[in-house]
Amino acid sequence: KAGVTQTPRYLIKTRGQQVTLSCSPISGHRSVSWYQQTPGQGLQFLFEYFSETQRNKGNFPGRFSGRQFSNSRSEMNVSTLELGDSALYLCASSLLGPSTDTQYFGPGTRLTVL
Amino acid sequence: KQEVTQIPAALSVPEGENLVLNCSFTDSAIYNLQWFRQDPGKGLTSLLLIQSSQREQTSGRLNASLDKSSGRSTLYIAASQPGDSATYLCAVSPPNNAGNMLTFGGGTRLMVKP
Repeated sequence: KAGVTQTPRYLIKTRGQQVTLSCSPISGHRSVSWYQQTPGQGLQFLFEYFSETQRNKGNFPGRFSGRQFSNSRSEMNVSTLELGDSALYLCASSLLGPSTDTQYFGPGTRLTVL
Repeated sequence: KQEVTQIPAALSVPEGENLVLNCSFTDSAIYNLQWFRQDPGKGLTSLLLIQSSQREQTSGRLNASLDKSSGRSTLYIAASQPGDSATYLCAVSPPNNAGNMLTFGGGTRLMVKP
């Protein structure tokens, strides 16, 4: 069974630009969560989608948004990039959700904002 | 607001030693607790998941315990090997009706010397 895949793996953008990251969950998984990982703040929850609906959202500004498609693939978008958005963005998938069962993480997308 | 703390932040041990990693959380109203491993620049790998009603889980040389009332969990690694070198993270999830998300600790960076 293929694992969670994330594209692209690396991305370099400049301040003010926008970016879209993609996550393909394990086949059959309906829940996709997104996390931001930085050396200073550690791993922070961004949002979680289940069956195309956002169920939970972390404490991030509105520049961070996401969506989930009918095949459970998910995208997250960051508009008007800031230097502080440089981070490793991780997505995780599971059958029912992070509060219920094991989370399977992708390798992450390393975003650098110049 | 749930806060998760991991002590120590870093640990270096000789190969073959048994070791214990600690995780504490401030709100005992959790649904489950998960331990993950992260290798440098990579995603997270789930090691063990303990439901709030359980006291411990075992997988090979790993044993995780949970004391919900005191807000503590430990990850015991027996007969450590250089391949165990990684960052170990614990994460807790709230009850189902309080959201579907994980709150992570800052991690313990483990180095096992040959």
